Amino acid sequence: NAGVTQTPKFQVLKTGQSMTLQCAQDMNHEYMSWYRQDPGMGLRLIHYSVGAGITDQGEVPNGYNVSRSTTEDFPLRLLSAAPSQTSVYFCASRLKREIWEQYFGPGTRLTVT
Amino acid sequence: AQSVTQPDIHITVSEGASLELRCNYSYGATPYLFWYVQSPGQGLQLLLKYFSGDTLVQGIKGFEAEFKRSQSSFNLRKPSVHWSDAAEYFCAVGAGTGGFKTIFGAGTRLFVKA
Repeated sequence: NAGVTQTPKFQVLKTGQSMTLQCAQDMNHEYMSWYRQDPGMGLRLIHYSVGAGITDQGEVPNGYNVSRSTTEDFPLRLLSAAPSQTSVYFCASRLKREIWEQYFGPGTRLTVT
Repeated sequence: AQSVTQPDIHITVSEGASLELRCNYSYGATPYLFWYVQSPGQGLQLLLKYFSGDTLVQGIKGFEAEFKRSQSSFNLRKPSVHWSDAAEYFCAVGAGTGGFKTIFGAGTRLFVKA
């Protein structure tokens, strides 16, 4: 099993550009989520999904879109990048919402200039 | 609203010394509590979890944590720290309603000196 994979590892964007952060898991997990990590703020939940076709907002959803067309993939789209979106982004998955142990990807470091 | 507070931004301990990282939570019902560790440049790894039962829980890498309901605390401990324990540690609470979300504290960075 590869676990949770994320691409790219690093990305630099200009303000206003769009991009998609990729996340995939091969553990047949129902529940997937995206977090951003900023110094002194821990991890904050952006969006999550309890299964294919079902997504919902977390704490800080503005400026981000998600979709879940398959169990394996949960991409995060930045529609118009802003410097405030400079952060490290982590994707995580777990078997189902009632099973709390999460598996994290290695992260994507995004810089918006 | 649920929240997690880790009062110490960073802690430095000598190798071989004991360690305690503090965590306080705010949650109306019985919480699901977690400690995660993040090594530099890596994702988070689960150290241990508390759901119910014995309030002292054992985790990986020799860590343990004690749930104290009266103090709303879930402190992480290790009797003898190794240089490889240097990392950032996150306490988290699971909100078992709605989206079953996990709320993380801001983290405590552990430095280990020789």
